[in-house]
Amino acid sequence: SAVISQKPSRDICQRGTSLTIQCQVDSQVTMMFWYRQQPGQSLTLIATANQGSEATYESGFVIDKFPISRPNLTFSTLTVSNMSPEDSSIYLCSVQKTTNTEAFFGQGTRLTVV
Amino acid sequence: LAKTTQPISMDSYEGQEVNITCSHNNIATNDYITWYQQFPSQGPRFIIQGYKTKVTNEVASLFIPADRKSSTLSLPRVSLSDTAVYYCLVGDGTGTYKYIFGTGTRLKVLA
Repeated sequence: SAVISQKPSRDICQRGTSLTIQCQVDSQVTMMFWYRQQPGQSLTLIATANQGSEATYESGFVIDKFPISRPNLTFSTLTVSNMSPEDSSIYLCSVQKTTNTEAFFGQGTRLTVV
Repeated sequence: LAKTTQPISMDSYEGQEVNITCSHNNIATNDYITWYQQFPSQGPRFIIQGYKTKVTNEVASLFIPADRKSSTLSLPRVSLSDTAVYYCLVGDGTGTYKYIFGTGTRLKVLA
């Protein structure tokens, strides 16, 4: 199994500012992902965080808006840049140890932009 | 584009067996089928995973026909605490590891 710690658990931010969300895993994992879940909706994959290289973004998400770092096999950050109220959402970190195995999810970061 | 199709919502009564079917017509040969449960304000939680035929664990069973184009999650004797959203996931069809979430099924268990 894998235990994921996300920080902060929630935040209220002013529009135009940026927030960095941290994801810490208690063991080394091969794959880390970032998802967004808007109120009452399903999860949308933002990007795959690649260790030691640039993240791989899904359609509709760009590095300038959602820069991601992954310096090692247990840690990643997602920054939500130049925030607007439309960025209000829950952001979740997910990890998998190998392909086609169980994915573990953090509790999420609830972001409100005012 | 989501790779799976599920009913949007279902209602059931306590003590009943609930079956949620998922369609995944374009599943790739190397993709597994995985089901997750999500409660409000929590991240999704793994329930069960299978490749073919039937898989059973302490909380659910997963039935997968030979053509693997669909699957059915079976929850025996549900309780009020099983009220949640249930997601059926397969790989993204390219043999990689990304999970693309569909709409999920909102299960409401009534007393």
